[in-house]
Parts: sequence; structure tokens; C-alpha cells
Amino acid sequence: DAGVTQSPTHLIKTRGQQVTLRCSPKSGHDTVSWYQQALGQGPQFIFQYYEEEERQRGNFPDRFSGHQFPNYSSELNVNALLLGDSALYLCASSVTSQFFYGYTFGSGTRLTVV
Amino acid sequence: DAKTTQPPSMDCAEGRAANLPCNHSTISGNEYVYWYRQIHSQGPQYIIHGLKNNETNEMASLIITEDRKSSTLILPHATLRDTAVYYCIARGLRDYQLIWGAGTKLIIKP
Repeated sequence: DAGVTQSPTHLIKTRGQQVTLRCSPKSGHDTVSWYQQALGQGPQFIFQYYEEEERQRGNFPDRFSGHQFPNYSSELNVNALLLGDSALYLCASSVTSQFFYGYTFGSGTRLTVV
Repeated sequence: DAKTTQPPSMDCAEGRAANLPCNHSTISGNEYVYWYRQIHSQGPQYIIHGLKNNETNEMASLIITEDRKSSTLILPHATLRDTAVYYCIARGLRDYQLIWGAGTKLIIKP
């Protein structure tokens, strides 16, 4: 049973560039959330997508945008990269239903901005 | 801000029970307590969650105090592979995001 798949696993970008990260949710999951995790800190919520719409957004600037496709996969786009955007980006999938069974996380994409 | 507080680090001997405390004194009545762990360079892994009753699964047990102001995650027979950062999170049913603190770094020693 494939879990959450994220690509690429590592990425190096230059300040000012744009980046797209990809996530395929666990089979049967319809909701995708994105988190940013700086070194030594807990993950911070970026946004969540459900039914191809952004359902909730954390405290991140508009440079961070996303998309969810009909097959439930998702992309995270970051424009005008800053050095401070260097982090592990985590994708988490879940099922939106009456009961919450928890999130399944991918292994993340390590983004380094130089 | 995170609604939970945890000690920054703990040690435990291999084969012994690891007891990880979490304080959530401001938790509201409809908020569940979730535990996740993150092994180095991997994504967080769900462990267990509960509302007010004690819970047990194949990975761990969760003990929630009667006033719900604190809880303890118990790994009954810790192994070296249990070395990780453990996060305690309070989440309401209608919350879409998880608010993470810094977690507890658990080191299992041989």
C-alpha cells in the first residue's frame, strides 16, 4: 500500500527563483495538507486542499500557493525564493469524513535556497 | 502558539518503558490529544490519539488525566528504533491544521 509520495526528495534553488513541489496522497485519501519544517523545529501549517480548493491557510505569504488536481494529488509553489524558505516541506494526506483518523505524512522535500 | 508543552529531551534504557509527559492545561472539551513521532530525516508518523479515555494500540498507550490537563504516552518496551522526536498535539474535530510545538527528543540507550 503506497503511502504519501513526495518529489523531488532534495532540491537546491537560488534566491529569487520559483519552485514546485509535488505530492501524491495515500490511496483512498482526498485531502492534502502542506507543512514547512525548519531545522530543529516542529512543522508549521501552510495550507490544506480539499475538493481542489484551498480550505484553510496558515500564516504564510502569498508567495506560497498550491493546487489540488482531480486525482487528489497536489503541488506547492513558492515564488521569489528567500534564504529563509530553506526547510523540509512535508505533505500530509487524510480522509475528510465525519471521523478523523489522522494524517499520513510523506518523507518530505528538502529545499535549500542559496 | 502550540497548546501543549513537553520536556525538550528524555533518555530511556532499551527494553524499559518510555513514559513521555505532555501538559495541555488549556485544552478545550472537544479537543483531542494526538501523538506523532519523527525519526530523523523522515516525515512524522501517527502514533495514537484520545479524547478522555485511555487508549492503547499496537504501538503505544495513551493515559489522559481525569481533568484532561495532561497526558502520558507510554512505549511499553522501548527499542533503539524508538529514538525520535515525539510531538503531543491538541486538535479540535473541526480544526484542519495541526499546531506543533518543539516536541520531546527521546533517546533510547542500549
